[in-house]
Amino acid sequence: EIVLTQSPGTLSLSPGERATLSCRASQSVDSTFLAWYQQQPGQAPRLLIYDVSTRATGIPDRFSGSGSGTDFTLTISRLEPEDFAVYYCQQYDHSPAYTFGRGTKLEIK
Amino acid sequence: EVQLVQSGAEVKKPGESLKISCKASGYRFTSYWIGWVRQMPGKGLEWMGVIHPGDSIIRYSPSFQGQVAISADKSISTAYLQWSSLKASDTAIFYCARRTGASQPSFDYWGQGTLVTVSS
Repeated sequence: EIVLTQSPGTLSLSPGERATLSCRASQSVDSTFLAWYQQQPGQAPRLLIYDVSTRATGIPDRFSGSGSGTDFTLTISRLEPEDFAVYYCQQYDHSPAYTFGRGTKLEIK
Repeated sequence: EVQLVQSGAEVKKPGESLKISCKASGYRFTSYWIGWVRQMPGKGLEWMGVIHPGDSIIRYSPSFQGQVAISADKSISTAYLQWSSLKASDTAIFYCARRTGASQPSFDYWGQGTLVTVSS
């Protein structure tokens, strides 16, 4: 079973700053199968990035994803107030299929 | 417009049974996998299982195998998550979500979530 470790657990930044969130897999991940989600308090998760670096429909270009193998990164180039939320990475393999990381909370400094 | 609309919040006692629903609209229900995800209070996302409504193939996370049952009724474009005997530890928000595509295993549309509270 692939385990996804997200770091940091909490990231404190100010609007306008750049955010870099990490997701490390315990084994190499098929690059097609790495996604990122944003969850605002009290809301359902929202798909941000799939295929490591492809933005989902309607996602602003300040969000970007990168990485390969076991190390993946979500970057938010210039933080907007609405970007402060919890972010999850997710991967897929055949056993046991879908795995989420434990999340990174992005909070206002 | 793709929508997944889940049934409302439930308050149950330990040992009771429950079936919650996820009604899909705006796309061909039988062509996309639907997954269920648990979020315990203040915690992260846990994948529970997926179903392909077109052929009723179901895959469960080992953590949830035998604990819940996933089903779908394609005549009404609705997926279900069911418990036969709830425990207090089942208290959580449960989300349904549509898998993006056959070759893309992300989840692109999500329901609003169903809060299940199990308490004596």
